[in-house]
Amino acid sequence: EPEVTQTPSHQVTQMGQEVILRCVPISNHLYFYWYRQILGQKVEFLVSFYNNEISEKSEIFDDQFSVERPDGSNFTLKIRSTKLEDSAMYFCASSAPGAGGNTIYFGEGSWLTVV
Amino acid sequence: GNSVTQMEGPVTLSEEAFLTINCTYTATGYPSLFWYVQYPGEGLQLLLKATKADDKGSNKGFEATYRKETTSFHLEKGSVQVSDSAVYFCALLRLSSGSARQLTFGSGTQLTVLP
Repeated sequence: EPEVTQTPSHQVTQMGQEVILRCVPISNHLYFYWYRQILGQKVEFLVSFYNNEISEKSEIFDDQFSVERPDGSNFTLKIRSTKLEDSAMYFCASSAPGAGGNTIYFGEGSWLTVV
Repeated sequence: GNSVTQMEGPVTLSEEAFLTINCTYTATGYPSLFWYVQYPGEGLQLLLKATKADDKGSNKGFEATYRKETTSFHLEKGSVQVSDSAVYFCALLRLSSGSARQLTFGSGTQLTVLP
């Protein structure tokens, strides 16, 4: 069964460093997402991406965050200058166009620890 | 705005017990409703879904019925197993800009099943 894959599974970084989280969405999907889950809290929407541009973003997704689809398969989340409060599990997700897009499929997550 | 309220956890049951995890929602229009499951150390997996009122989603012995009159989507299983121990998230899906979708999650309910 097709799946969303994410790398790395776990990353530890120092405060102020840049981090790039990578994702390979399901191949025929056109909508891509990042969600975040701080330990013990709700899963929160960060951003959606379609046709090489951001469709929607939450208030969490401020100027330190950016997303990119650098080639035909990868979808990345960049955090420019990490803060302690950025420590969380980051989930990439994707959905198909049209009615098939009524289900969003998630990757296994990238656990980011900022020290 | 949209919101999802889930039963507070944690929930601890003995094997073969009956499970109910309550979920109610607030939304405009007619959202699709989902249950996702997160097993220890893993990502979010779609458990089941329902896209319109009175639909029943089912998978792996779990069921949930989309009740528009009570704005609820309670998760049930007749006989839980130790392997069902996980965190369960109720979520609603709304159409955002273009055809991108946005999921709003509940806070999650930790289920522990004891042998």
